[in-house]
Amino acid sequence: GAVVSQHPSRVICKSGTSVKIECRSLDFQATTMFWYRQFPKQSLMLMATSNEGSKATYEQGVEKDKFLINHASLTLSTLTVTSAHPEDSSFYICSASRQGANEQYFGPGTRLTVT
Amino acid sequence: QKEVEQDPGPLSVPEGAIVSLNCTYSNSAFQYFMWYRQYSRKGPELLMYTYSSGNKEDGRFTAQVDKSSKYISLFIRDSQPSDSATYLCAMTLKAAGNKLTFGGGTRVLVKP
Repeated sequence: GAVVSQHPSRVICKSGTSVKIECRSLDFQATTMFWYRQFPKQSLMLMATSNEGSKATYEQGVEKDKFLINHASLTLSTLTVTSAHPEDSSFYICSASRQGANEQYFGPGTRLTVT
Repeated sequence: QKEVEQDPGPLSVPEGAIVSLNCTYSNSAFQYFMWYRQYSRKGPELLMYTYSSGNKEDGRFTAQVDKSSKYISLFIRDSQPSDSATYLCAMTLKAAGNKLTFGGGTRVLVKP
């Protein structure tokens, strides 16, 4: 159990466009989902935490109007990168936790390239 | 000083050797400890989860927590080339809403 999927796995978009990334918990209900960003050879950087039905909590320095997060159901969270720029190119990874649990289960990641 | 320190490696070992990884942390309030394995261009995979001092074993993996020394370890027995990856320690406080604080990761190379 505890499988998390992400879609798409890779996406290339043009500068100025928006792109949506989906994160799904396939075999459990995820009351909390997290979005991370990872640059090459670096550890994961938490961008935001989202609880089902609530607004996301963003980490300091993360623009909430640029990175829109929606956690509309217990199995789905989406991250939309709006007006993407080349510096937004990165590896985006989501994770999910069950209610009352401490461990997080990660998705396979989405590689975003903005040209 | 980072909250969680982890040697970046790379740690190179021959196949069949024991891989020894560790992290030190500064916040004594951390309660829950995890080890993740991350292959290149993939998401992290949870290997071990512990919350008390002592050892926990799962197959070839043993996780060790020493809260008095603020030190955690992961041992991999009979290492295989497929164990070559980056290993991340992570820890959390209940009060932090289960947000994970990660170490920087240790890159491990198991040579056949």
